[in-house]
Amino acid sequence: DFQLTQSPSSLSASVGDRVTITCRASESIANYLNWYQHHSGKAPKLLIYAASNLQSGVPSRFSGSGSGTHFTLTISSLQPEDFATYFCQQSYSTPHTFGQGTKLDIK
Amino acid sequence: QVHLQESGPGLVKPSETLSLTCAVSGGSINNYFWSWIRQPPGKGLEWIGYIYHSGSTYYNPSLKSRVTISVDSSKTQFSLKLSSVTAADTAVYYCARVHSDPDGFQTFDYWGQGTLVTVSS
Repeated sequence: DFQLTQSPSSLSASVGDRVTITCRASESIANYLNWYQHHSGKAPKLLIYAASNLQSGVPSRFSGSGSGTHFTLTISSLQPEDFATYFCQQSYSTPHTFGQGTKLDIK
Repeated sequence: QVHLQESGPGLVKPSETLSLTCAVSGGSINNYFWSWIRQPPGKGLEWIGYIYHSGSTYYNPSLKSRVTISVDSSKTQFSLKLSSVTAADTAVYYCARVHSDPDGFQTFDYWGQGTLVTVSS
């Protein structure tokens, strides 16, 4: 299985900050990497697919980059609604696997 | 807007079978894969498997011997059965739609909000 390791596991930041979350794969997954946002008790939301493509309807302050084994999700200017948990997921090979999540909270 | 809603018992006894249903509304069940994913308390997400609208299934090898996913296109719903459950199967269970593009990229583009299933006597 392809293991995904996210860092940091938690992050405190303020409205307006720029934040970056990293996802590393145990082997190359090309650009088969997706990012999701999850507010507790709600349905997770797809943000970025194929490493760098913004899902329709997602604000442009979200961006993704990377390929191979190293990927990043960047939020350019945090808004109050962005405080949530973020996780990465690889679709290079089944079984699909996920990072353990990064919890982003207000400083 | 596609909406998914999980339903089923919130408490299952050890050694019994966990059964959940995901109702799909706002879109067709045809031409998509439909997936189950779970998250044990304090742990990461685990993909359980998925089913195509035609009935073809793909399961996580770690659970394959105990999992059955089925689809009922007439009712626009799909289901999960997990047999011989233990406390380790306690988790929030999510259903999700799989979007596949022509280049082979797959995403879980719509999710339910999840349902907690506790395995306990």
